[in-house]
Amino acid sequence: DSGVTQTPKHLITATGQRVTLRCSPRSGDLSVYWYQQSLDQGLQFLIQYYNGEERAKGNILERFSAQQFPDLHSELNLSSLELGDSALYFCASSGRGFGNTIYFGEGSWLTVV
Amino acid sequence: DQQVKQNSPSLSVQEGRISILNCDYTNSMFDYFLWYKKYPAEGPTFLISISSIKDKNEDGRFTVFLNKSAKHLSLHIVPSQPGDSAVYFCAASANTGGFKTIFGAGTRLFVKA
Repeated sequence: DSGVTQTPKHLITATGQRVTLRCSPRSGDLSVYWYQQSLDQGLQFLIQYYNGEERAKGNILERFSAQQFPDLHSELNLSSLELGDSALYFCASSGRGFGNTIYFGEGSWLTVV
Repeated sequence: DQQVKQNSPSLSVQEGRISILNCDYTNSMFDYFLWYKKYPAEGPTFLISISSIKDKNEDGRFTVFLNKSAKHLSLHIVPSQPGDSAVYFCAASANTGGFKTIFGAGTRLFVKA
């Protein structure tokens, strides 16, 4: 158990819909990261927050957005969903500063039908 | 733009032998490197890391080697065990412009009994 909690574990929704994925980081971790893994693909970095502020941005679509709340949990919002958005979405967290190992949650499986 | 490349999608090794997984990177600003192991339907788990000030880090059966001039790192597993069969991701991060960590596409390791 990494200490990173993601909900829901599985989600099936229709094209055009909007979903929210939730992440609780490890206790004390200030950084939260979101990654996307499509079938047999690598981990694509989406976005990172540090103590409530956006710190780094990767290949995140404009239809997607994220935020980190004062209690440090984070949400990833996916809207106008397309079939190609079906993937495993991972949240990860790390402690303060550079060189800290990031720890992953078990992921949220999103299936768009 | 793939900044972290794992050119071998898969590797098959006999139990007891050495497994060598390779990773190349292009961004000379990367100065912290990590390896993660991932089983199906689970989140990636941290395995071992290395800072750019070192060229080798060892943890039990796992050793990571870093060749900065070649922008290359490798993970050695000796001896390989069937339980090591998983997807291995190489990752790199830089202490500039945020702490985002970039992952390679992964190498699937099969250890045959």
